[in-house]
Amino acid sequence: QKEVEQNSGPLSVPEGAIASLNCTYSDRVSQSFFWYRQYSGKSPELIMSIYSNGDKEDGRFTAQLNKASQYVSLLIRDSQPSDSATYLCALLRGGYQKVTFGTGTKLQVIP
Amino acid sequence: DVKVTQSSRYLVKRTGEKVFLECVQDMDHENMFWYRQDPGLGLRLIYFSYDVKMKEKGDIPEGYSVSREKKERFSLILESASTNQTSMYLCASSSGGTSGPDTGELFFGEGSRLTVL
Repeated sequence: QKEVEQNSGPLSVPEGAIASLNCTYSDRVSQSFFWYRQYSGKSPELIMSIYSNGDKEDGRFTAQLNKASQYVSLLIRDSQPSDSATYLCALLRGGYQKVTFGTGTKLQVIP
Repeated sequence: DVKVTQSSRYLVKRTGEKVFLECVQDMDHENMFWYRQDPGLGLRLIYFSYDVKMKEKGDIPEGYSVSREKKERFSLILESASTNQTSMYLCASSSGGTSGPDTGELFFGEGSRLTVL
């Protein structure tokens, strides 16, 4: 079982809709979770981090964490064509410096 | 702004050549990382370092070595390049390591696309 699993997509949503991206992980020791965005031909950049169960909102982005079910999700409200990118889920296990990434979900926002 | 600079954006090398990929960060970060990114496989950690002269193997260290002689510089070395090392190589840094908690927030360089013929 992969440490971090994501559906590769592409996930297509119309402009203005809510995009929902999901991620599951296998190691219950994981403590910190992240969403990175990667535009085509560019490097990943951090957009959200979440450390405790529940929701965390930042502008149009909401990260959700459920440690009991071992999943993390990212909601993008009012999706824009500029949100079209690959979204990488990542985790950091406590006591380790290593950040492990999922393979990413490609999001396409259709104008 | 944090800046992570990779020395070469594009390299073409021949099988058996020794390859050096250099990475420099300007934010005094303790942790530095080398990943490779391949279609369908995502980002895979090759090596990381949490302090000068310290290194730890990641998930795919075979065929690679690293050097960290100064805090701001982390080099990836391919002793004898092979075609299966054709990939995008990404360097990253983060705060934490020996001086404090790890944030998990990685700052990436622009990447070095290596082609081995």
